[in-house]
Amino acid sequence: QLQLQESGPGLVKPSETLSLTCTVSGGSISSGRYYWAWIRQPPGKGLEWIGNLYYSGSNHYNPSLKSRVTISVDTSKNQFSLKLNSVTAADTAVYYCASGGSFGGGACFEAWGQGTLVTVSS
Amino acid sequence: QSALTQPASVSGSPGQSITISCTGTSSDIGDYNYVSWYQQHPGKAPRLMIYDVSNRPSGVSNRFSGSKSGNTASLTISGLQAEDEADYYCNSYTSTTTLVIFGGGTKLTVL
Repeated sequence: QLQLQESGPGLVKPSETLSLTCTVSGGSISSGRYYWAWIRQPPGKGLEWIGNLYYSGSNHYNPSLKSRVTISVDTSKNQFSLKLNSVTAADTAVYYCASGGSFGGGACFEAWGQGTLVTVSS
Repeated sequence: QSALTQPASVSGSPGQSITISCTGTSSDIGDYNYVSWYQQHPGKAPRLMIYDVSNRPSGVSNRFSGSKSGNTASLTISGLQAEDEADYYCNSYTSTTTLVIFGGGTKLTVL
């Protein structure tokens, strides 16, 4: 089954860009079977969907973050990435990459990475 | 788009059954059978427990079941065990521009 692993800096300065990568194993990121997502969880709080990336290359972003978010894919490395610009302390969270496929209308996430904590601080 | 509404906490004794509710609107739970439930232990990633309202992924105990009535979905855990103590989140597809919406989470305590 799919395995996902996040990587990237754990500390980002305010106003800069947060960049994370998710490496996928156990399946091809180019497969039309899956969609790929980023979800975050501020410390002690609930889950917030950031956006989906589809095998067609199209995206769907949370409107509250849309102006600052880019999710892209690198098929040669079987990875997808998140960029969130102009970060503030409110963007401090554990960031998860996740994937879905056959269920949920694009809103069901069957496999998850372990998560990576990103702190926004000077 | 507001989050789906879940109770902040529920509790039960070992062997008992509990139900966690998740209330949305006609733009999400009410009109679509795309409700999922996730279990999250402290410091761990969420785990999918129920998809499409009432279906269990392979490997999930049949003590976990899901249902829906109107704009409210429910997760029932029967035969409570200590290992069930965790946070539980519902989520749904929504026809609004948001696409994906989560509940605020429910902390389950096994007494």
